Amino acid sequence: QLQLQESGPGLVKPSETLSLTCTVSGGSISSSSYYWGWIRQPPGKGLEWIGSIYYSGSTYYNPSLKSRVTISVDTSKNQFSLKLSSVTAADTAVYYCARHNTYMGGQQLAHYYGMDVWGQGTTVTVSS
Amino acid sequence: DIQMTQSPSSVSASVGDRVTITCRASQGISSWLAWYQQKPGKAPKLLIYAASSLQSGVPSRFSGSGSGTDFTLTISSLQPEDFATYYCQQANSFPLGFTFGPGTKVDIK
Repeated sequence: QLQLQESGPGLVKPSETLSLTCTVSGGSISSSSYYWGWIRQPPGKGLEWIGSIYYSGSTYYNPSLKSRVTISVDTSKNQFSLKLSSVTAADTAVYYCARHNTYMGGQQLAHYYGMDVWGQGTTVTVSS
Repeated sequence: DIQMTQSPSSVSASVGDRVTITCRASQGISSWLAWYQQKPGKAPKLLIYAASSLQSGVPSRFSGSGSGTDFTLTISSLQPEDFATYYCQQANSFPLGFTFGPGTKVDIK
């Protein structure tokens, strides 16, 4: 059974870079048609997609965060990672990693099967 | 940017009630809509994808419908374990992005 587990510091200082890793177990991160994403949820608020990556290294970012976000993949470790730079208190949230089964037809979406496997989430607080 | 709205923002219901939640997209998204259930302190759980396809393992009392801009999630007979917050998510704009709705909280009447 596929499992995802987030890891990283729970406290980050303002203006610094938030770094998280998602470890995939029970399956390969290199499976075709699966993308690996990061989603966050500020306290008491809704869900925000941060970005996704394909095992080939192709990345897709939320335009509102694109200037500060880097997502990378390490297929040898079956992991993918998130870096969010210049953080502020507004970046305080529970950060989730998730898998989404997505088929692309060229640059167009061909089919979407939803975000079907999620990590348990990790709380990151931005504070000095 | 595709914006998603949900109504109501919250609903109080009793066990056995039929509950319907509406999700509206600011522009047409075909059938590229998913529904998630989230309980406090837990990760979201996928219920429905492609507007009306039931995710494996999800009880059949959950159903989804709609296409274009208007979608509904229906719980045919509310069970105690269904009290949670429900989110819709559009995928039509991927790879430019995904957007979640603001959520609908279903609580006990």
